[in-house]
Amino acid sequence: GAGVSQSPSNKVTEKGKDVELRCDPISGHTALYWYRQSLGQGLEFLIYFQGNSAPDKSGLPSDRFSAERTGGSVSTLTIQRTQQEDSAVYLCASSLIVAGPRETQYFGPGTRLLVL
Amino acid sequence: SQQGEEDPQALSIQEGENATMNCSYKTSINNLQWYRQNSGRGLVHLILIRSNEREKHSGRLRVTLDTSKKSSSLLITASRAADTASYFCATALTSGTYKYIFGTGTRLKVLA
Repeated sequence: GAGVSQSPSNKVTEKGKDVELRCDPISGHTALYWYRQSLGQGLEFLIYFQGNSAPDKSGLPSDRFSAERTGGSVSTLTIQRTQQEDSAVYLCASSLIVAGPRETQYFGPGTRLLVL
Repeated sequence: SQQGEEDPQALSIQEGENATMNCSYKTSINNLQWYRQNSGRGLVHLILIRSNEREKHSGRLRVTLDTSKKSSSLLITASRAADTASYFCATALTSGTYKYIFGTGTRLKVLA
């Protein structure tokens, strides 16, 4: 597609349930990022994938959070046993990493997660 | 504390005025980028300035970078109501990672 897409747009779940958030990056982009943004706050880095390298998971807040990227394209962020503090907008971005300086990120519209 | 912190946190100006927001960071960077966010959803890239550049222009946007002070500023000239948004700086670190660190954002409101 023309841009980064995310699904679902909105997700309401009950505390303790698992959720899966999906990101479709721009075709050909080798890097994919997940961020979390709480209401009125900045972006909190969660994880990134770059090509076939091991992902940088240093931003994942707990072991309830995991992510995978299949075939170097689509990524799924999974939150197990959701808590109310997980409520936020989850943003995905992709970029084309080439040798040299870091490049621009292209963001999806986000998934707004509400844990009741 | 965060790598990038913007100030002011919020700014309200009249249409036609200039808006200036600042970003400070803590560690060495490869480049610094500014993004705009409308309505709490996806971010849109505005401009990228590399560590060996001091100033860059794009339309009504002017960005400066002072690596000695670890700070950057974004100037929007002749502001319009459509510029109302949150603005974030993001720093790309120099080595070992492709991770970006985002600042806390400046909420700009342009009054018609």
